[in-house]
Amino acid sequence: EVHLLESGGGLVQPGGSLRLSCAASGFTFSSYAMSWVRQAPGKGLEWVSSISGSGDNTYYADSVKGRFTISSDTSKSTLYLEMNTLSVDDTAVYYCAKDYPFGGVISGYFDYWGQGTLVTVSS
Amino acid sequence: DIQMTQSPSTLSASIGDRVTITCRASQSISSRLAWYQQKPGKAPNLLIYKASTLEDGVPSRFSGSGSGTEFTLTVSSLQPDDFATYYCQQYYTYSYTFGQGTKLEIK
Repeated sequence: EVHLLESGGGLVQPGGSLRLSCAASGFTFSSYAMSWVRQAPGKGLEWVSSISGSGDNTYYADSVKGRFTISSDTSKSTLYLEMNTLSVDDTAVYYCAKDYPFGGVISGYFDYWGQGTLVTVSS
Repeated sequence: DIQMTQSPSTLSASIGDRVTITCRASQSISSRLAWYQQKPGKAPNLLIYKASTLEDGVPSRFSGSGSGTEFTLTVSSLQPDDFATYYCQQYYTYSYTFGQGTKLEIK
């Protein structure tokens, strides 16, 4: 059974940094692309970033480009999101999501999601 | 970025009703569209991909159609478990974008 467990969220001041983790189990992690999607309180879904199964290809939303870095450790079956220069607009629940099977290449849609971790940026 | 616009934003319906949600893209996305269901406090759940392909385990009362710029999600006979918020998402190009959501409420 596929399981995704995010951690690392919390309260951070504007301008601060945070690293989110997503521990994956139940599938061969290196064979699937992975993504982060966020949802501000009471708002809709926003794609943040994706990484191919090999880790060779990464993509970012314009709203986070240059501030966030996605990475993965296949030996630990763990996905990361390093977030820097955080602003109040980054306040959201951050979901880790597994891309639909597409041979490790990024498919762009998501068949399994974690339960999310809340990031609150506030002074 | 490709803009995705859903209508209506809120839909009130009764058990057994047939309902349709529309999603329009600001440019052609071929059939690269997915639909998700989200319940309060929970992660989204994939219902449909490639505009009309039902994900394994999703009840057959859900169906999707469309291509290009206009798409629909139809629930043929609403069940109590279907009252939730629905999102469309294009994956034609980066950045992937979602519609603003349609909240399906009990009338």
